[in-house]
Amino acid sequence: DGGITQSPKYLFRKEGQNVTLSCEQNLNHDAMYWYRQDPGQGLRLIYYSQIVNDFQKGDIAEGYSVSREKKESFPLTVTSAQKNPTAFYLCASSIRLNEQFFGPGTRLTVL
Amino acid sequence: AQKVTQAQTEISVVEKEDVTLDCVYETRDTTYYLFWYKQPPSGELVFLIRRNSFDEQNEISGRYSWNFQKSTSSFNFTITASQVVDSAVYFCALGGYSGAGSYQLTFGKGTKLSVIP
Repeated sequence: DGGITQSPKYLFRKEGQNVTLSCEQNLNHDAMYWYRQDPGQGLRLIYYSQIVNDFQKGDIAEGYSVSREKKESFPLTVTSAQKNPTAFYLCASSIRLNEQFFGPGTRLTVL
Repeated sequence: AQKVTQAQTEISVVEKEDVTLDCVYETRDTTYYLFWYKQPPSGELVFLIRRNSFDEQNEISGRYSWNFQKSTSSFNFTITASQVVDSAVYFCALGGYSGAGSYQLTFGKGTKLSVIP
């Protein structure tokens, strides 16, 4: 079945560590996105990519990095520079101008 | 800048009641898209509907209906005869072009709907 997968579902990080969240899609979508969701808040855009080997910062990119070496994959690295990384992270993909389809999310907790 | 306001933070209804979730948006674009998503407790956002700015026809899908009014910049969502399975957080989103020329979605903060049996 076509869809978006994110792994791991839960992730625990010690302070000062970098961690990488995986996002893979087999929908053949060009565009992919990373959002952060905090309790009681909407989704805030971290990074997005409209094509392979190209990506742009969203509203809250500081402390995060991404790569887009393959159309199917858009991993997000949460670096030690991100001061408050505990949140729910959602990956999405879309055909340009159409609705975005979301993965199941990764819940990151800093210990 | 684009903005989406969902003024209702939480709503509780008794099963079988009708409920309307409000969404008001702001944009300077003449062409834009509006969306509703459902986020059940599992966390994954489920796409419900997309509407473009040139199509003001209301839409009905089963117990769900949407009322798009450009004059008031609103895109409200009504659930008829609510069920416990409708309990979720519902997000309204606005799609348009950012200052950098790329297409993005701007989400409201969501409305948490609790349907009580």
